[in-house]
Amino acid sequence: GIQVEQSPPDLILQEGANSTLRCNFSDSVNNLQWFHQNPWGQLINLFYIPSGTKQNGRLSATTVATERYSLLYISSSQTTDSGVYFCAVETSGSRLTFGEGTQLTVNP
Amino acid sequence: EAGVVQSPRYKIIEKKQPVAFWCNPISGHNTLYWYLQNLGQGPELLIRYENEEAVDDSQLPKDRFSAERLKGVDSTLKIQPAELGDSAVYLCASSLLGRDTQYFGPGTRLTVL
Repeated sequence: GIQVEQSPPDLILQEGANSTLRCNFSDSVNNLQWFHQNPWGQLINLFYIPSGTKQNGRLSATTVATERYSLLYISSSQTTDSGVYFCAVETSGSRLTFGEGTQLTVNP
Repeated sequence: EAGVVQSPRYKIIEKKQPVAFWCNPISGHNTLYWYLQNLGQGPELLIRYENEEAVDDSQLPKDRFSAERLKGVDSTLKIQPAELGDSAVYLCASSLLGRDTQYFGPGTRLTVL
């Protein structure tokens, strides 16, 4: 099956810093989503982005489908951004395959 | 608009006991998913429903796990009998259609002793 690799696995930032999270995938995909799992375990959908660039406030994402990667940018990070960020890809059959996530800690 | 609702939030049982989880998806969402999330890993799909039909259950361990979605709305996931290795978080998600944005519930954290 498709492989989804996220980097870095762990990231520690000071409040106000910027960061880039990367997701590589091993095959063509129909869909790619970024999620944030907060410290209470709730998964929040950030972006539905099979290709192109989208922005939502301090977050933006870019997917280059032909090169099989996606990037999530977080600017001016806040302590509430802490948690695990997951990339998930969908191939034929509508099955989402998740990466192992990036654990982000933002310190005040 | 209410999100995906799951209950219970936490469950502790002895091994070999049965357990059931309930999910109510977002109103109007035709597609419902059950995922399993082990500690430190991403969620893994167990089963996907389109309305009341299970269209992808290839990852569901059918010897002990079962699921149903009567009337194409609420869904129940059951484990009988539970094993120690079943300790995990069970997540329910829904989407308007397949290949749409998936919205997740808060999950049920199962501990099997």
